[in-house]
Amino acid sequence: SYVLTQPPSVSVAPGKTATITCGGDNIRVKSVHWFQQRPGQAPLLIIYYDSLRPSGISDRISGSNSGNTATLTISRVETGDEADYHCQVWDSSSRHVVFGGGTKLTVL
Amino acid sequence: DVQLVESGGGLVRPGGSLRLSCAASGFTFVNYEMNWVRQAPGKGLEWVAYIDSGGSRLVYADCMRGRVTISRDNAKNSLFLQMRSLRVEDTARYYCVREAEGAGANFDSWGQGTLVTVSS
Repeated sequence: SYVLTQPPSVSVAPGKTATITCGGDNIRVKSVHWFQQRPGQAPLLIIYYDSLRPSGISDRISGSNSGNTATLTISRVETGDEADYHCQVWDSSSRHVVFGGGTKLTVL
Repeated sequence: DVQLVESGGGLVRPGGSLRLSCAASGFTFVNYEMNWVRQAPGKGLEWVAYIDSGGSRLVYADCMRGRVTISRDNAKNSLFLQMRSLRVEDTARYYCVREAEGAGANFDSWGQGTLVTVSS
């Protein structure tokens, strides 16, 4: 089955840029979606189809997908960005949805 | 506004059964594919099951295949998850999730979840 690998944690200082990766075999051919989950809340879609932002999502958030790695980038990080971030794809061979293990973003 | 409200969670003994429900509002439910996703305490997200808009195509994750049935009632704007032979490791918050139109399993709306605890 298809596997997505995320770093368990990423730390960044306020005002800097946070980069969260999501690794998968030839992930570039898949559509990657990203979710933000603040403590005690449901996940929120923040990036879909690799790089598109839903209405209302800050333009400080961006996504890309190339080779074996998809990347979520949060620029000018704020304390309110502290959350868990999850990547997700649909695996056409198994017809299953796959999530990465999630990355906890800490703002120092 | 899109609303998904889950119910039916609770404490159940190992080997027991539970039926989760999700009441949808704010959109044309019959037009959308739906999913259940769960999250064990302190863990990541895990997809559980999918159902197409008409209720005829069903897909299950390996973690619960054979022990769970997803269904829907489009006349009542409701999604269900019947769970059987529950195990301690099924303890999780279960989310009802809408899949946006288009390919690629874009999960654009989530409920707040209902907590299922399997314990003796």
